[in-house]
Amino acid sequence: DQQVKQNSPSLSVQEGRISILNCDYTNSMFDYFLWYKKYPAEGPTFLISISSIKDKNEDGRFTVFLNKSAKHLSLHIVPSQPGDSAVYFCAASAYNDMRFGAGTRLTVKP
Amino acid sequence: NAGVMQNPRHLVRRRGQEARLRCSPMKGHSHVYWYRQLPEEGLKFMVYLQKENIIDESGMPKERFSAEFPKEGPSILRIQQVVRGDSAAYFCASSPQGRPSYEQYFGPGTRLTVT
Repeated sequence: DQQVKQNSPSLSVQEGRISILNCDYTNSMFDYFLWYKKYPAEGPTFLISISSIKDKNEDGRFTVFLNKSAKHLSLHIVPSQPGDSAVYFCAASAYNDMRFGAGTRLTVKP
Repeated sequence: NAGVMQNPRHLVRRRGQEARLRCSPMKGHSHVYWYRQLPEEGLKFMVYLQKENIIDESGMPKERFSAEFPKEGPSILRIQQVVRGDSAAYFCASSPQGRPSYEQYFGPGTRLTVT
């Protein structure tokens, strides 16, 4: 039962361009959404989050958009940098429950 | 303030042996989560524990796997009679009191290889 889906296993963009990573969820009880970034041989690190009462949250080059009616969120990175190359996990949370997507591997080419 | 610590970082076990994975949460965190990442797959929730209590073990295989978070000491994920399919990276995360699902802090993981 995959409650959080990231349908693109990989994404490649040119340095300086926008990266858009997408995530869909099925459980309407989720009320908090997060993006984590993971480098090889390291644990995931928290990147940005958004509460269900908002539709946008921005932190520097990173912006997360939430469309509750579509049960869809996206992470925008602009401008993309080679150091952004990593696996990005989307997560959705309800009290005592957090589920992760399978991840999208982002490659930013110089 | 040290982050979440996991040890060992790498663990090699032969089929049939036991694997013990340890996780020390961040200071002040009383909620611990274990996840498994199989090759080419995402993070799969296994178990959520608070001190001396298992809150949610819906992601744990019914047999051979167990977890504990004692009053003193680290959380332990124990896998008995390991099989090759147990080879994976196991991540522990912790969170502070309150809404425990918010912003979990992950350790570096333990990579288990079963030969």
